Amino acid sequence: DTEVTQTPKHLVMGMTNKKSLKCEQHMGHRAMYWYKQKAKKPPELMFVYSYEKLSINESVPSRFSPECPNSSLLNLHLHALQPEDSALYLCASSPQFPSTNEKLFFGSGTQLSVL
Amino acid sequence: GENVEQHPSTLSVQEGDSAVIKCTYSDSASNYFPWYKQELGKRPQLIIDIRSNVGEKKDQRIAVTLNKTAKHFSLHITETQPEDSAVYFCAASIETGANNLFFGTGTRLTVIP
Repeated sequence: DTEVTQTPKHLVMGMTNKKSLKCEQHMGHRAMYWYKQKAKKPPELMFVYSYEKLSINESVPSRFSPECPNSSLLNLHLHALQPEDSALYLCASSPQFPSTNEKLFFGSGTQLSVL
Repeated sequence: GENVEQHPSTLSVQEGDSAVIKCTYSDSASNYFPWYKQELGKRPQLIIDIRSNVGEKKDQRIAVTLNKTAKHFSLHITETQPEDSAVYFCAASIETGANNLFFGTGTRLTVIP
């Protein structure tokens, strides 16, 4: 299994809603990432988890709350988002972080629209 | 921090022709350079990568070259096909410390049948 699976594929939410994005991988990777991608732009790193511990938080607003329940799962909890948070949210994994093997495997993403 | 620039932003080629996308980076400590292909509405997929101890790497119709002195690397696609149409992102990373991937701004490649 070389897949990173993300659910849901699409999400529409209001600014007062609470929702969660989910990501799962069964490749035995110990590093998992959340990226945000606006249309026609490169992915921007948000968070990195290594061995289920938060390693990097790229100054992301607290309305985004990551969670890594175990080495295969990564969640992103959303609360009180703004319309400008609308974007494609990509999960990724790699064998380790930091590592000499930086091959990132991306999920298909969740297209989020905040109304 | 690292700054990766990518050119051109858009590129149109006739089917069968070659396409070249160029990236430059600023941090001489960067030593890993992957290329990602992202089709419309799909995930970025790693298509080829190169490490700084290698000058060139080839995989069928795709090749990447690296010039460490000039701090630039390029993606070469030969015999282009319509299915090569996508956005291509280069990236640079440092293997030690917080080895975040720094992405270029992307190149939209269109292969005209």
